[in-house]
Amino acid sequence: DVKVTQSSRYLVKRTGEKVFLECVQDMDHENMFWYRQDPGLGLRLIYFSYDVKMKEKGDIPEGYSVSREKKERFSLILESASTNQTSMYLCASSPLEDNEQFFGPGTRLTVL
Amino acid sequence: GQSLEQPSEVTAVEGAIVQINCTYQTSGFYGLSWYQQHDGGAPTFLSYNALDGLEETGRFSSFLSRSDSYGYLLLQELQMKDSASYFCAVRDQTDKLIFGTGTRLQVFP
Repeated sequence: DVKVTQSSRYLVKRTGEKVFLECVQDMDHENMFWYRQDPGLGLRLIYFSYDVKMKEKGDIPEGYSVSREKKERFSLILESASTNQTSMYLCASSPLEDNEQFFGPGTRLTVL
Repeated sequence: GQSLEQPSEVTAVEGAIVQINCTYQTSGFYGLSWYQQHDGGAPTFLSYNALDGLEETGRFSSFLSRSDSYGYLLLQELQMKDSASYFCAVRDQTDKLIFGTGTRLQVFP
């Protein structure tokens, strides 16, 4: 059974803290993605990666960075968390040039 | 800009048929996908259309008209468990998905 896991389901942080969100997939997929989901706005792409050590900006990369040191792991970093980054964060993976993305369960981040 | 439009909410009764429309305006187009998301759950893939026409998978069907930049998801024999949010998404040439804002389907007994 294919699986994408995320390090936390719920996370509460304070403004200015550095936040790491981890995502691991066990399907040997080349592509990995980070989205945030907010009510009425759907899923918006933050960053994605086609391969180890490669990253591309999505639609809303400001305030975020990513790291992909191993094929199975894709980390999202909030260098200095702000209240407007309170959101649901979803990680996904897919094989190269494939139609289906597999999503993790999400991390609901609250920044106080 | 890039945009996908779909209704924010649709309601129906068990056993009925419902159609969720999606119109898109994107700079690149390689196909239209549909995802289902139950409250508190992760989005899960339902269907993908790269070519014009209707694709059927059990009770769910998806249609695409590239000339009209339009597609729809058709759900037949609705069940209570179909209550969820449904997202259309355009795949561009870089394998990225651009998502619509989602349609919340409520199925009533």
